[in-house]
Order: sequence, then C-alpha cells, then structure tokens
Amino acid sequence: EPEVTQTPSHQVTQMGQEVILRCVPISNHLYFYWYRQILGQKVEFLVSFYNNEISEKSEIFDDQFSVERPDGSNFTLKIRSTKLEDSAMYFCASSKRGPDGYTFGSGTRLTVV
Amino acid sequence: SQQGEEDPQALSIQEGENATMNCSYKTSINNLQWYRQNSGRGLVHLILIRSNEREKHSGRLRVTLDTSKKSSSLLITASRAADTASYFCATGTNTGNQFYFGTGTSLTVIP
Repeated sequence: EPEVTQTPSHQVTQMGQEVILRCVPISNHLYFYWYRQILGQKVEFLVSFYNNEISEKSEIFDDQFSVERPDGSNFTLKIRSTKLEDSAMYFCASSKRGPDGYTFGSGTRLTVV
Repeated sequence: SQQGEEDPQALSIQEGENATMNCSYKTSINNLQWYRQNSGRGLVHLILIRSNEREKHSGRLRVTLDTSKKSSSLLITASRAADTASYFCATGTNTGNQFYFGTGTSLTVIP
C-alpha cells in the first residue's frame, strides 16, 4: 500500500537553529499538508499546499515556517530559528483530492534543546 | 472552533469487551475520520464517514454519525490488548482539505 515517508524520524536541534523536515508524499496525490502534535496534546493543522502554493494555513504557521516542493517528489517544512516550544511531532500528509486517500506519514519527532 | 472533543478521555476495559468512544464537534462537516495512534507513533487511518452517511463498518469497527447532534461514535467490538492506543476523531469541512482533530480517547485493553 502506498505510504507517505518522512525523514528523519527524530531530530534534535539547538534553539535558534534552522531545521528542515522532509516528506515524500504518495506519488499521484495532489494535496500536501503539515500537522504538528505537541506531546500530550491534539494534532493541529499547520498548512496545506496545492499547485505549488500554500492553499491554507493556520495561525500557528507564522513567518518562522515555510514549505516547499523543491522537486517532483519531496515536500519540506522549514522552521527558521527554532524555539523550545517548537518541540513536537510533525506529521506530513497527502491526499488525492479532499478527504479521499488522506494519508499521514509516521512523523518526525523534533526536539529543540 | 470546529475541533472535536472525544469522550471519555480515558477508557480501560477487559479484553473481549466492547469499547465505545464518542466525538462531538461544533460546526457543519463534510466528513469525519477516526484515527488511531500508538504512544509516540504515527496516525493510522481507521475509517472515513461522510456527512450523508449514518453508519459504516470495517472489521471490528463500527462508526456512526449523527449530524443533527453533531456527534460520532466509534465502537470496537471484541477488543484485544493490541487495540490499546489513543483514538482521535478528525472533522473535515467543505472549505479546505485540512482536518480538525479532537483531544483523543486513550484506550487501555487489559489482557
């Protein structure tokens, strides 16, 4: 069964550093998403991406964050100047259209120290 | 906010018993999904139910949706120890493709 692949599974970074989280969505999917889950809390939507541009973003997704689809397969989330409160599990997801085939990756656990 | 709330927050049952979890939400939805998450792991899609559907089954899972009450339930029958996990509902709307997750129910199935 097709999967959304995220790398790395765990990343530790110093506060103030930039991190890039990587995702390979399912190949025939057109919509891409990032969500995050702070430990013990609910999963929160960050951003959706379609046709090479952001289609929607939440209040969490401020200027510190950016997304990119640098080639035909990868979808990245960049966090500039990380803060301690950015420590969370970050999930990438993709879908063909709407909720159909909506698939989450296994997540990247980001720890900011 | 469209975010759902699951009830109960925690549920502990004996293996073989049925587990019922409820989800309530606040605004109109297009669809609702249930996900499972083992501790510290990824989200596993369980079942999608659309707003024009009232009930769906998948194996030992049964999901109902009552749009008039803005609520959904997930029933796991004949539970197993391996069902121990957190279960989340996530609502989708007609505007945008993002999902709004609830706070989750932590299910413990005792062997």
